[in-house]
Amino acid sequence: SAVISQKPSRDICQRGTSLTIQCQVDSQVTMMFWYRQQPGQSLTLIATANQGSEATYESGFVIDKFPISRPNLTFSTLTVSNMSPEDSSIYLCSVGSSGDDSGANVLTFGAGSRLTVL
Amino acid sequence: AQRVTQPEKLLSVFKGAPVELKCNYSYSGSPELFWYVQYSRQRLQLLLRHISRESIKGFTADLNKGETSFHLKKPFAQEEDSAMYYCALRRGSTLGRLYFGRGTQLTVWP
Repeated sequence: SAVISQKPSRDICQRGTSLTIQCQVDSQVTMMFWYRQQPGQSLTLIATANQGSEATYESGFVIDKFPISRPNLTFSTLTVSNMSPEDSSIYLCSVGSSGDDSGANVLTFGAGSRLTVL
Repeated sequence: AQRVTQPEKLLSVFKGAPVELKCNYSYSGSPELFWYVQYSRQRLQLLLRHISRESIKGFTADLNKGETSFHLKKPFAQEEDSAMYYCALRRGSTLGRLYFGRGTQLTVWP
């Protein structure tokens, strides 16, 4: 399965600032996914990033708040804009792994980026 | 709307005891269900998926469409099973769009 590197692993940010999280994959992938895990909550999909097209956002997430870039098949960034304490979360990048004979695909996750907004 | 419910936030058992982590879902279509696990200081990773009907690390999970459940079971828990377990539902055939439960922290005592 793919190996995913995320940067930064953690950061402390001031209210009103923006932070960009980078996700690098060791192989070419069509789709990359950004998830968020707020404290004590489950993982929630923010958006799907396809190379060469705009990201597809899930309900409750907008491009102005979470702009995403996908310049090539191995890299993506997620920016958390105009941060508030409610944005304190772990942000995870993930990609689909190749399936087995059943044809199913599963997700491989990065280690996550833990953001704390003061 | 789709939903995944893991009713137990914390679950503790002794080594060698059976363990069952509960997962219920609501989804009008044909679901595909997964269990993901996160060991301490490790990344979230797939444990098993219902369509493979596999047993991984002694764990099994059967999809019960009548009860809309996908409980994770192991007959004899080991200390190394201590981890956070997440049940997840994939809607239709759309890769990557998983809906996760809130997770169950399993602790296996020696």
